[in-house]
Amino acid sequence: AQSVTQPDIHITVSEGASLELRCNYSYGATPYLFWYVQSPGQGLQLLLKYFSGDTLVQGIKGFEAEFKRSQSSFNLRKPSVHWSDAAEYFCAVAPSGGNEKLTFGTGTRLTIIP
Amino acid sequence: EPEVTQTPSHQVTQMGQEVILRCVPISNHLYFYWYRQILGQKVEFLVSFYNNEISEKSEIFDDQFSVERPDGSNFTLKIRSTKLEDSAMYFCASSVRTGRNEKLFFGSGTQLSVL
Repeated sequence: AQSVTQPDIHITVSEGASLELRCNYSYGATPYLFWYVQSPGQGLQLLLKYFSGDTLVQGIKGFEAEFKRSQSSFNLRKPSVHWSDAAEYFCAVAPSGGNEKLTFGTGTRLTIIP
Repeated sequence: EPEVTQTPSHQVTQMGQEVILRCVPISNHLYFYWYRQILGQKVEFLVSFYNNEISEKSEIFDDQFSVERPDGSNFTLKIRSTKLEDSAMYFCASSVRTGRNEKLFFGSGTQLSVL
């Protein structure tokens, strides 16, 4: 069965600093990977996804993620964070390449300080 | 951007009571899902629904749970006899179709508290 690990429960970053959120997965076949963001009182919003091809994926809001098969990782990055990026971030994997039966990580809460 | 709407945002119930969580998916969507997140734990898949029937369900989705699309616009999750461990945030989601190129839209969730 697939699983996702987000080793950082809470990260604090200064506004304008760079950000990297870690995600490791376990899956027997080629994974389909996602990053979602949840702002307070909001639903889960898709930031980006990886299915195949270029291992560096660009998403919305200036985020990108890099798939590294050798490390079983799909880390999320942003070169310069904004106060509005404060939220909960979830990494997820899907077995069939679609949206059904996503397996999520436990999430990383991002706090931005001035 | 279109939205998936969930009501209520927070529901409190007594153990053993029935609850119905309501969702209005995006109007042209055909695939519907429920996920839940127990406090401090992962978001977990519960069930997927297409063409008026369950297409897949997790082991969590036992006989106490049921889903329905009663009127072509609402998508409901019913818990027949709630238990303390059912306390969680429940997310509804929908998509036009399933598959790698399809985007899943999530609602903002219903926080269920079972006392």
